[in-house]
Amino acid sequence: QVQLQESGPGLVKPSGTLSLTCGVSGASISSTNWWSWVRQPPGKGLEWIGEIYPTGSTNYNPSLKSRVTVSIDKSKNQFSLRLRSVTAADTAVYYCARGWGRGSSSDYFDYWGQGTPVTVSS
Amino acid sequence: DIVMTQSPLSLPVTPGEPASISCWASQSLLHSNGDYYLDWYLQKPGQPPQLLIYLGSNRASGVPDRFSGSGFGTDFTLKISRVEAEDVGIYYCMQSLQTPLTFGQGTRLEIK
Repeated sequence: QVQLQESGPGLVKPSGTLSLTCGVSGASISSTNWWSWVRQPPGKGLEWIGEIYPTGSTNYNPSLKSRVTVSIDKSKNQFSLRLRSVTAADTAVYYCARGWGRGSSSDYFDYWGQGTPVTVSS
Repeated sequence: DIVMTQSPLSLPVTPGEPASISCWASQSLLHSNGDYYLDWYLQKPGQPPQLLIYLGSNRASGVPDRFSGSGFGTDFTLKISRVEAEDVGIYYCMQSLQTPLTFGQGTRLEIK
């Protein structure tokens, strides 16, 4: 059974950097999948952040692209999210997900982590 | 960006009755390979989203056959033939034709 688990600080100071990791079990992160991050502000809908393919190819949401980096660590079977210069607007539950795609990005997400809440506050 | 719009935003349903959720895209989701790049997810209370339907009409593994997806061009529909109590939650459509991947606002299904 494929499982994804997010980990990282639950509190980040304004102007700081949000750093999360998604550990993958039951599947190889080197497989032909996209590995994605999606967030959900409190009481709101879903926003796609970005994703990475095992080759290192990435796609990012233009609204966040200047502040986001998604990276992959094949030796640890995990991938990571870094979001710089955070503000209160970045407070959200952050989900990692596995994407299937025949082309240059995910077509759909079949497995999701449970999500980790991150609050931006001093 | 492709804008996704769902209707209704709230859907009270009596158990055993059918339900339907509409999703419109700001441009056609038809890919050159003939597939429609539209997916449906259900987020049950306190849980992450789960995949229901992918590429327009394909049920994900383990999804009951009372769920079905249809549509073409810019107009898509998720239908539940007979609603059960476990179907409560927020339903999202998502387009995957192009990045950024974008979601609808969500439709909250509740039991009457």
